[in-house]
This record gives sequence, C-alpha cells and structure tokens, in this order.
Amino acid sequence: AQSVSQHNHHVILSEAASLELGCNYSYGGTVNLFWYVQYPGQHLQLLLKYFSGDPLVKGIKGFEAEFIKSKFSFNLRKPSVQWSDTAEYFCAVKRYQAGTALIFGKGTTLSVSS
Amino acid sequence: NAGVTQTPKFQVLKTGQSMTLQCAQDMNHNSMYWYRQDPGMGLRLIYYSASEGTTDKGEVPNGYNVSRLNKREFSLRLESAAPSQTSVYFCASSNPRGGADYEQYFGPGTRLTVT
Repeated sequence: AQSVSQHNHHVILSEAASLELGCNYSYGGTVNLFWYVQYPGQHLQLLLKYFSGDPLVKGIKGFEAEFIKSKFSFNLRKPSVQWSDTAEYFCAVKRYQAGTALIFGKGTTLSVSS
Repeated sequence: NAGVTQTPKFQVLKTGQSMTLQCAQDMNHNSMYWYRQDPGMGLRLIYYSASEGTTDKGEVPNGYNVSRLNKREFSLRLESAAPSQTSVYFCASSNPRGGADYEQYFGPGTRLTVT
C-alpha cells in the first residue's frame, strides 16, 4: 500500500546532540513534502516544506530537510537540539494531481534532556 | 486573524450520544479537512472538502458525517458515538493555488472521550 513511513517512533537525545529523523514515502511521480511539529498540548505547526528546486530545504528554528528523490526520502535534521525541541514530528506527502489532502506518517516523538 | 478555530476544546460523551464538532477558518481558504489523532497512529484523514459545496471521504470516514456550511465553516458530526471514536480531532484548511502550496493550517484540536 502507498504510505508514508517514519522509521523512529521515539528518539531520546541530550541537548546539543545532532538530530536526524527519517521519512520515506512510497508514491511515484511528483510529490510535495512537509514536516510538521506538535509541541506538547499544542496544534500542528509547519516546520518546513518542499515543492521544487533546491532539494535542501531550510525551515524554522534551525531545522532543515533534504529531499532525495532516488531514495523517496525527506529526512529532517538539526545540528544541535535544544530542550525546547521536545515534541512530536510528522512527515507528510502530497501526491501530484491527487486531490488536496496530505498523507501523514505516524509521527516521531523526540525527547530532549537538558 | 484567528486562523483555524475549533469548538469545543473538550467533550465527554456517553456511547450512543451524538454531537457536532465545529470548525471555522478566516483565511479565505478553499479546502478544509478533518483528522483524528490517536497514539501511534499519527493523523488520519476522516473527511475533507476541496472546495465549498464538495466533500469527500478520507481514510477513516465510518461513523462520521460532515457539512461544509459555507466557505468558512466545516463541521464534523458523530451520529452515535462509540468508544472507538475517543480521540483528538483536528480541523485544518489550505488554499492550493495552481498546483502549489498545499500547506495545511491546523486548529487547536478537540479532545473527545466516549465512555
């Protein structure tokens, strides 16, 4: 079945550690890609998005993601995490000419200890 | 500019009761969505409305109905609530233009418990 996979269910890091969260999708063709973050008790907010052009996308709060088309991947990275990055992170995909809805992964919970 | 608003924030229902979750957006977006969020399941699309006057089923539509009342408002109705519908419900909106910019904006959520 076509899907969006986030490999890590729960990641635990110390402050200043580097972060990489994996996201793979199984759709062929053109896609638009998103990473959303949900801080405890809050609603989802957009971290970054990719539509076209430079496959390395920079978002808010020092996050970036790289689209690797050959690997169907859109991994999220941050060189040095902070305690305030503790949250749940969702990858989402929009397939070309397939309506307007996004398909979300199951999410990765990031816990950062100070 | 309030963005996407949802009411109520919390609700407890007994099995078999009905209720309507309300959602409104003030960004003049064409498309609106209802998701449910369950632990370990991520967000699953219940229904969506690509434009005023249209609605379509998503991944998990059973037990729900929707109404796109006008461009601003999109409600979700549970006709006979079941414990399996205990979840956090999020409304979202987007304004796709010319095939680009499918970013969705989310409301604060409604936490529903069915006993």
